[in-house]
Amino acid sequence: NAGVTQTPKFQVLKTGQSMTLQCAQDMNHNSMYWYRQDPGMGLRLIYYSASEGTTDKGEVPNGYNVSRLNKREFSLRLESAAPSQTSVYFCASSRGRGNQETQYFGPGTRLLVL
Amino acid sequence: GNSVTQMEGPVTLSEEAFLTINCTYTATGYPSLFWYVQYPGEGLQLLLKATKADDKGSNKGFEATYRKETTSFHLEKGSVQVSDSAVYFCALLPKDSSYKLIFGSGTRLLVRP
Repeated sequence: NAGVTQTPKFQVLKTGQSMTLQCAQDMNHNSMYWYRQDPGMGLRLIYYSASEGTTDKGEVPNGYNVSRLNKREFSLRLESAAPSQTSVYFCASSRGRGNQETQYFGPGTRLLVL
Repeated sequence: GNSVTQMEGPVTLSEEAFLTINCTYTATGYPSLFWYVQYPGEGLQLLLKATKADDKGSNKGFEATYRKETTSFHLEKGSVQVSDSAVYFCALLPKDSSYKLIFGSGTRLLVRP
């Protein structure tokens, strides 16, 4: 099993450009998440999808949209990139709801917005 | 609200030294607690977890005990190796909002030969 995979690994954008970050999991998990990691701040939740067909905002959703394409895939879109969105983005998945459920993380996408 | 506080890094140790990374939390109810590790250039990996008070999580020689009375989940290892050099994140999953993992700011560990 590959676990959680993300593409691309690294991307440079100019301010105002758009892009989509892709995430897929092969663990048959119901729930998927997008986080961003900024220096000295740990990870912060952008959006999550509790199950196929549902998405909800997390702590820092402004400037992002998501699509839960099917049970395996959960994409994050930046419609008009801003320098403040320079960050490392992590996708994660878990079996489902419940505070004993472990979230498993992908390797990350490093995004630089100029 | 819910929050996690970790000791400031970096922590620099010699190989075979004893490691403690402090983590305290604030939460309503009884959250689950996690330690994740991030090796250079990689994503986060679950190191260990505990889901109720007095539980001890352990993995790869690392241990942490869920202490409700002190709201702490300190990470320990008896003898660190150079390969343990990484960033360690303490996190909690609240009982009342079971999707939102709340992370500490991370502690960088550097182990020298």
